[in-house]
Amino acid sequence: NAGVTQTPKFQVLKTGQSMTLQCAQDMNHEYMSWYRQDPGMGLRLIHYSVGAGITDQGEVPNGYNVSRSTTEDFPLRLLSAAPSQTSVYFCASSYSAGWNYGYTFGSGTRLTVV
Amino acid sequence: LAKTTQPISMDSYEGQEVNITCSHNNIATNDYITWYQQFPSQGPRFIIQGYKTKVTNEVASLFIPADRKSSTLSLPRVSLSDTAVYYCLVANTGGFKTIFGAGTRLFVKA
Repeated sequence: NAGVTQTPKFQVLKTGQSMTLQCAQDMNHEYMSWYRQDPGMGLRLIHYSVGAGITDQGEVPNGYNVSRSTTEDFPLRLLSAAPSQTSVYFCASSYSAGWNYGYTFGSGTRLTVV
Repeated sequence: LAKTTQPISMDSYEGQEVNITCSHNNIATNDYITWYQQFPSQGPRFIIQGYKTKVTNEVASLFIPADRKSSTLSLPRVSLSDTAVYYCLVANTGGFKTIFGAGTRLFVKA
């Protein structure tokens, strides 16, 4: 099993450009989420999904869109990139959002906005 | 959502037992406690989870007192490869909005 796969691993954008960070999991997990991690800091929740067709906002959703058309995929879209969005982005999935199920994280996408 | 407080960093030597304590004074009845480990340039990795008393797995033990306002992650006989950032977090049984704090940077020396 590949687990949680994120692409690309690295990306440089110019201010104002848009792009989509891809996240795919092959574990049939219902719950998926996106976090960003800034240098020396913990992870902050951007958006999450509890199943196909269902998404909701986390702590820092502004500037990001998500959709969940399939169980496997949960792409994160940056509508108009800003330097403040320079960060490492992690996608995570879990069988369930509830008790006794830890999250499986991807290896991250390092995004730089210039 | 309960906020957690952990030491910013800790140093240890190979072979020692390491205990990292996390405070979560505002933990709710439905909240559970989870610990993750993160190596540089990698995503966090689930270590252990508990609700009360003691939980043990092949990697670590988690001690939670009766009032649940704190928890302690215990790593037995650490090695150099245990050098990482350790996150304590609390989440409700729905677990939809899991909040990570800044974590504890553990540095294991030879």
